[in-house]
Amino acid sequence: DTGVSQDPRHKITKRGQNVTFRCDPISEHNRLYWYRQTLGQGPEFLTYFQNEAQLEKSRLLSDRFSAERPKGSFSTLEIQRTEQGDSAMYLCASSSVAGPPYNEQFFGPGTRLTVL
Amino acid sequence: EDQVTQSPEALRLQEGESSSLNCSYTVSGLRGLFWYRQDPGKGPEFLFTLYSAGEEKEKERLKATLTKKESFLHITAPKPEDSATYLCAVQARDSNSGYALNFGKGTSLLVTP
Repeated sequence: DTGVSQDPRHKITKRGQNVTFRCDPISEHNRLYWYRQTLGQGPEFLTYFQNEAQLEKSRLLSDRFSAERPKGSFSTLEIQRTEQGDSAMYLCASSSVAGPPYNEQFFGPGTRLTVL
Repeated sequence: EDQVTQSPEALRLQEGESSSLNCSYTVSGLRGLFWYRQDPGKGPEFLFTLYSAGEEKEKERLKATLTKKESFLHITAPKPEDSATYLCAVQARDSNSGYALNFGKGTSLLVTP
């Protein structure tokens, strides 16, 4: 399977714990994005990388959130001191700068986070 | 501020009953408008990108069109397997927006046999 993969698919944690999610993009894609989606809403942008550089962060990305893409391949999203409001589906997407199609973002299956 | 509004919120169709979903948008400069399909508990699946007014794209029973203010997703003779949430998103040309997609809330489509 050459699509975007995410791990884990589900995560249940207690309030105050730290969690980390992983995303592996489509292999030739150099842009990687993180979104968050709550029930009944569309995905909301969190941050994006071009290669290993984090080029944009949303106001939604509080100080408790940090994302990395150390070698320009996979990425991790860490949430520290989780709160119940962090419960959501965390989606990763990737796209290519070369094209066509050079702008389409392809999404992974998501990680469902539940904070108790 | 960029805005994306989708209507209706929910739509129920009988198999074979054609209809259209609407996506109205406000953006300083449009780089692209995207349609995705999302099944429950899964990530969005890419359908179409439209770049300029007047552009149309088709895939099986789906056809997407674009004007300067809105996009339509036409579903011709739908089947039960077309049941899903359809998401519209815009990407702004504004340099402050980068390549982030700004999504609407989606239209939940149910097609009954």
